[in-house]
Amino acid sequence: AQSVTQLDSHVSVSEGTPVLLRCNYSSSYSPSLFWYVQHPNKGLQLLLKYTSAATLVKGINGFEAEFKKSETSFHLTKPSAHMSDAAEYFCVTSGTYKYIFGTGTRLKVLA
Amino acid sequence: DGGITQSPKYLFRKEGQNVTLSCEQNLNHDAMYWYRQDPGQGLRLIYYSQIVNDFQKGDIAEGYSVSREKKESFPLTVTSAQKNPTAFYLCASSIARDTTLSYNEQFFGPGTRLTVL
Repeated sequence: AQSVTQLDSHVSVSEGTPVLLRCNYSSSYSPSLFWYVQHPNKGLQLLLKYTSAATLVKGINGFEAEFKKSETSFHLTKPSAHMSDAAEYFCVTSGTYKYIFGTGTRLKVLA
Repeated sequence: DGGITQSPKYLFRKEGQNVTLSCEQNLNHDAMYWYRQDPGQGLRLIYYSQIVNDFQKGDIAEGYSVSREKKESFPLTVTSAQKNPTAFYLCASSIARDTTLSYNEQFFGPGTRLTVL
């Protein structure tokens, strides 16, 4: 069965420093993987998705993620954090007829 | 503008009352989903629908009901049988009915916050 595991429930970074949010997946075939961001009391917005066309995926707002099959990982990164990046981030994969969500990582950005 | 709308944004329910949350999409998507979000618990699937006039229970369907009479609409009713309905409810849609290998993402509405008085 497909699954995703977000390794950190909370991450704190200083503004201007790199961001790393970790996600491992489990799948019996080449998965589809997504990262979403959710600001407080808002819906989820797609940051990027892996479609097997390229292992390094660039998304919106300067985020990117690298698909590593050998490590079964799809970590989200950003070179320089901005205060507006403070939010909750979800790693998601697709199963049969439905999507499987990680438990979320809350990113805090310190001034 | 294409997208998903949810209404109302805030909803208050008295004990023993049924309430209905609206979800409408104009993306021409086949599949629609309802999720419940509680603090620190991520998203949990309540119901999903792959096509008009068909829907399936998700992981936490007890105390909820849905209908899918039109492609663009997927209302959720929170019944009095749901003992702890206070939560943030999110509706989503996607192109594909079968998400496996589809690489099709979900699109989310802005959410409805339900509070029991």
